[in-house]
Amino acid sequence: DAGVIQSPRHEVTEMGQEVTLRCKLISGHNSLFWYRQTMMRGLELLIYFNNNVPIDDSGMPEDRFSAKMPNASFSTLKIQPSEPRDSAVYFCASSSARVLGDEKLFFGSGTQLSVL
Amino acid sequence: QKEVEQNSGPLSVPEGAIASLNCTYSDRVSQSFFWYRQYSGKSPELIMSIYSNGDKEDGRFTAQLNKASQYVSLLIRDSQPSDSATYLCAVNSGGGADGLTFGKGTHLIIQP
Repeated sequence: DAGVIQSPRHEVTEMGQEVTLRCKLISGHNSLFWYRQTMMRGLELLIYFNNNVPIDDSGMPEDRFSAKMPNASFSTLKIQPSEPRDSAVYFCASSSARVLGDEKLFFGSGTQLSVL
Repeated sequence: QKEVEQNSGPLSVPEGAIASLNCTYSDRVSQSFFWYRQYSGKSPELIMSIYSNGDKEDGRFTAQLNKASQYVSLLIRDSQPSDSATYLCAVNSGGGADGLTFGKGTHLIIQP
């Protein structure tokens, strides 16, 4: 199994530009989570999907952020327009948990985003 | 607002000793508790989960949970330099994959 695959690994862009981060889930997993990690705030949950349906997007910081899950294995996180304060590592994680005791999150390698 | 608190460290422990990492959480209805390890520049990986009060042992790792005190801890016995990493405490208030709330992590350094 290839694990959770994120792309790109690194993204450097200028303020105002659109940024799209991509994530491929582990085959058979039905939950998808987007997290953002910074030194100041740690790991923050942005949004999560279950069976392609967004369940909780209360962590999405602003309307500039949007996430989609067009099919069961793929998701995108878009920032438009990007700002320097969006600079962080963005992690995607997936899980097959629907039974207590099986909430293991598998994280992708992350996307290091730098907005200049 | 769910909060998970950890001492950021660094926590320095000599090789072979026991490392003790602590975590407190604010949401009394929390049901599931996890410890993740994150090496510098890498993604978090799950090392322990615990759901009931008491101790749970897995190899050199022991997780301890006290729901009355809203306190979770991780003990690492016979600490090795390869244990040097940031340890993240995570809490889930619902059954199933409902999104984990993470602490900011404790940076652990094992001194050879």
